[in-house]
Amino acid sequence: GENVEQHPSTLSVQEGDSAVIKCTYSDSASNYFPWYKQELGKRPQLIIDIRSNVGEKKDQRIAVTLNKTAKHFSLHITETQPEDSAVYFCAASLNQAGTALIFGKGTTLSVSS
Amino acid sequence: EAQVTQNPRYLITVTGKKLTVTCSQNMNHEYMSWYRQDPGLGLRQIYYSMNVEVTDKGDVPEGYKVSRKEKRNFPLILESPSPNQTSLYFCASSLDPGGQTEAFFGQGTRLTVV
Repeated sequence: GENVEQHPSTLSVQEGDSAVIKCTYSDSASNYFPWYKQELGKRPQLIIDIRSNVGEKKDQRIAVTLNKTAKHFSLHITETQPEDSAVYFCAASLNQAGTALIFGKGTTLSVSS
Repeated sequence: EAQVTQNPRYLITVTGKKLTVTCSQNMNHEYMSWYRQDPGLGLRQIYYSMNVEVTDKGDVPEGYKVSRKEKRNFPLILESPSPNQTSLYFCASSLDPGGQTEAFFGQGTRLTVV
């Protein structure tokens, strides 16, 4: 089955710096890659997703890139702010019956001002 | 308001005492799923359902049961809870039957089994 590895597990940056979180997946048939943000004590919420027919997607200060050949995808946050502090999860799935959405173990991002 | 509602939010129970965590969504979503969240292990999928009466195992299904008799409800059943099932549980739903659209999560249920 699919396996998703996420690095780093913790990341500390100064306000205004950029942050990059990387994930690799094992099943080359995976074609949907969402990123979720979970603030302390709250539920995960989708911040951006990308499908396998697209190499990059941006939404204001966040972007996701996908390299299908290498089977990895990354989340990029520019001009970080204290409110970006949270746990970020990547995930991967196949659009086939009988498959699940597999999450990485998460990255705790701390943005200090 | 579009939402996924789980109950209860907190539950302390004893080993072996059957319990059910309810999950309901009002968005007419096809796909529903249950996750457990443990420190250092992230979100692990327990079971998912692509439609009424269609359920399938996720990564960690042992010790859990689910049912999908109605589109809006997807209860999680622990027939004989054990301490290793102490965890934070989330229910989620998505519009796409394959789960490849945004997942909306419930508020979470913190379960302690003693």
